[in-house]
Amino acid sequence: QKEVEQNSGPLSVPEGAIASLNCTYSDRGSQSFFWYRQYSGKSPELIMFIYSNGDKEDGRFTAQLNKASQYVSLLIRDSQPSDSATYLCAVNSDSGYSTLTFGKGTMLLVSP
Amino acid sequence: GAGVSQSPRYKVTKRGQDVALRCDPISGHVSLYWYRQALGQGPEFLTYFNYEAQQDKSGLPNDRFSAERPEGSISTLTIQRTEQRDSAMYRCASSLGSSGGEQFFGPGTRLTVL
Repeated sequence: QKEVEQNSGPLSVPEGAIASLNCTYSDRGSQSFFWYRQYSGKSPELIMFIYSNGDKEDGRFTAQLNKASQYVSLLIRDSQPSDSATYLCAVNSDSGYSTLTFGKGTMLLVSP
Repeated sequence: GAGVSQSPRYKVTKRGQDVALRCDPISGHVSLYWYRQALGQGPEFLTYFNYEAQQDKSGLPNDRFSAERPEGSISTLTIQRTEQRDSAMYRCASSLGSSGGEQFFGPGTRLTVL
């Protein structure tokens, strides 16, 4: 049973701060890792993906992957109230098994 | 181009009725995925297709659920003899390649079974 664990939150940060969202996964064979943002009542929107150990930066977002620790994180710098949403971590296994396993998501609240 | 579209956006039905949910993926996308999402949860995998071939249906809850994608484009998820526990948001996603990554979601169909 592949599992993806996230703290449900809410994670509250003030505007301008760094928000750190964390995710652990059970399948050591997992190869690809995705972060989706989901606003209330809307569909998930892909914001970042990472395949290799280390950091990947895209604007205010940085994804970090540590396969040895089976841990992936998302950092949001200079957090804005518009970043308030639920952030879903998703993991794709190897061997051509092409489906994503999602975590329950972490709710982020950025206060002005 | 247009994103993933789903219809209907809302469906209310009575217990025991059959329902068909439609997904139109992004043009040219090879893979199409069906998920079910409960409130406060992440999407839960149901089934997926590469072109017209159903590659994995292990997530379908029982044999009342079926899906098809006969021409490799539009897909239909059918639920027969609906039950109240089937009430949920049903989401469709598509991806350009068959590796499963970078999936783009449609707006979903909210199914309510009375």
